[in-house]
Amino acid sequence: AQSVTQLDSQVPVFEEAPVELRCNYSSSVSVYLFWYVQYPNQGLQLLLKYLSGSTLVESINGFEAEFNKSQTSFHLRKPSVHISDTAEYFCAVSKGSGNTPLVFGKGTRLSVIA
Amino acid sequence: GAVVSQHPSRVICKSGTSVKIECRSLDFQATTMFWYRQFPKQSLMLMATSNEGSKATYEQGVEKDKFLINHASLTLSTLTVTSAHPEDSSFYICSVAGGTVEQFFGPGTRLTVL
Repeated sequence: AQSVTQLDSQVPVFEEAPVELRCNYSSSVSVYLFWYVQYPNQGLQLLLKYLSGSTLVESINGFEAEFNKSQTSFHLRKPSVHISDTAEYFCAVSKGSGNTPLVFGKGTRLSVIA
Repeated sequence: GAVVSQHPSRVICKSGTSVKIECRSLDFQATTMFWYRQFPKQSLMLMATSNEGSKATYEQGVEKDKFLINHASLTLSTLTVTSAHPEDSSFYICSVAGGTVEQFFGPGTRLTVL
């Protein structure tokens, strides 16, 4: 069975500072990895995903994540955060096609301070 | 990606009544739909997986007679919370899948049982 660990439940950071949200997973099979963002009282929005190929994946709003198979990690980073990045971030893993449910981490609350 | 809607977005009901939540895939043939539940400040927990035209598969600990799921078409799935109690108050989120790795999430339904 797959599992996802997000070590940090809350991460406060000053505006324009860099941030890293950590995600580790465990699985005995190849997996697909995702980061979702959730704003208050809203559903989940896909931020970025790793399916295959380049281990560094990027989103359109400046976030990036790197798949590290040896460390079973998929940490999310952004070099300079904005107030609007304040949200809950979930790391998730899927072992197969889209017809396989996602397993989510507990989430990390990113709070950007002006 | 697919556009997924949920109705209602918020519902308040009295204890003992039943509530139906709809999940619609507006532009995507959803062969599989997932229902998740999210308690405050917690992660998403899978409740059940439903395939179009088949009975839903429930996760351990989720009562199938209490949470009735119907997936009658490729664009609609419903979750009915029967005889709702305050402990059923939660954020219910559906996602759709159709053979690709990625899942698409609805905006969620906030259920409050008084």
